[in-house]
Amino acid sequence: GIQVEQSPPDLILQEGANSTLRCNFSDSVNNLQWFHQNPWGQLINLFYIPSGTKQNGRLSATTVATERYSLLYISSSQTTDSGVYFCAGGETSGSRLTFGEGTQLTVNP
Amino acid sequence: DSGVTQTPKHLITATGQRVTLRCSPRSGDLSVYWYQQSLDQGLQFLIQYYNGEERAKGNILERFSAQQFPDLHSELNLSSLELGDSALYFCASSPRESPLHFGNGTRLTVT
Repeated sequence: GIQVEQSPPDLILQEGANSTLRCNFSDSVNNLQWFHQNPWGQLINLFYIPSGTKQNGRLSATTVATERYSLLYISSSQTTDSGVYFCAGGETSGSRLTFGEGTQLTVNP
Repeated sequence: DSGVTQTPKHLITATGQRVTLRCSPRSGDLSVYWYQQSLDQGLQFLIQYYNGEERAKGNILERFSAQQFPDLHSELNLSSLELGDSALYFCASSPRESPLHFGNGTRLTVT
């Protein structure tokens, strides 16, 4: 099955800093999604991005499907961005997702 | 609010017992997925249903079973519970070619 590797595992930032999180896949995926798990445990979908670039406010994501990786950019980070960021991939749009181990982000005031 | 409803939020039970977790997907979503999140194994896919039919199976134990009913709600049954089954159990739903939306999870503690 698909293997998903995320880096870095941990990231500590000062408020206002920018960051880039990376996700590598062992096989090609046609279903690539990014999630944020907040400190209360809720999993929030950030992007559905099998290819290309998308932006949503201070967050943006880019997936280069041919090279089997995706990047999540967080600009002007805020304390509310803290939590765990997961990427997940699947073979098709409706298929099961395999999750990476996540990046634990801490944004300090 | 994702629109996916899971009940109960918390469940504390003893080893050897059986519990049922319930999930109502977002209106119109035909696919339901169950995931388990434990500290040592991360987020693991358990099983997927599509319009009442089992679509895919992950590393789901034989002690666990699930079903999706005609009204599309789903139940995950966990039996002969062990301490290691303590985890956060998530349900998610999606239409095709669209983001996966998760419920808030059921936190199961087996004592």
